[in-house]
Amino acid sequence: SQQGEEDPQALSIQEGENATMNCSYKTSINNLQWYRQNSGRGLVHLILIRSNEREKHSGRLRVTLDTSKKSSSLLITASRAADTASYFCAHTGGFKTIFGAGTRLFVKA
Amino acid sequence: DTEVTQTPKHLVMGMTNKKSLKCEQHMGHRAMYWYKQKAKKPPELMFVYSYEKLSINESVPSRFSPECPNSSLLNLHLHALQPEDSALYLCASSQANLGGAGELFFGEGSRLTVL
Repeated sequence: SQQGEEDPQALSIQEGENATMNCSYKTSINNLQWYRQNSGRGLVHLILIRSNEREKHSGRLRVTLDTSKKSSSLLITASRAADTASYFCAHTGGFKTIFGAGTRLFVKA
Repeated sequence: DTEVTQTPKHLVMGMTNKKSLKCEQHMGHRAMYWYKQKAKKPPELMFVYSYEKLSINESVPSRFSPECPNSSLLNLHLHALQPEDSALYLCASSQANLGGAGELFFGEGSRLTVL
């Protein structure tokens, strides 16, 4: 399977804390993306990092990419209860975008 | 308009029925996708159309038949499905750049139950 791995599978934190999720993949990529999914809903794109980039920021999100280790991390700073959702990394080669197993984040108010 | 619209939102069908899922986007995207998602699992890629041509079929059983009538529409025709095909079916679209797919825009999905 080309599906990526993510850890942790689940993460429970207090509001205001930071949340870090990690992702690994197996193939060469054009870019790596992170998505968020609220229960039973469609996925929402959060951030895209290209294969020649190492770090990217967007608001409270910080993404890193290490192509030599085929891994990425997503940091959400100052978490809020509204951040409770599943987060997926997705690696793209050509038109094939493959999702990792996902991290279920629960932020307690 | 940045929406991908999927219909129906919910569908219940018997194993002998024929039904279709529909997806529409008006963002000018030339790549469209079908994904299948089971509960607590990631989306699994099924099909990719680029410029209205089927470019990727991830070894999907023939009881699922995709169709791209034009650059805005994507259908998934369903026939003789099995109960294990019950899932959330997600449609997505993206720009079709030379380097491949960028950001995917997803619809809210069609939740399919096969009895």
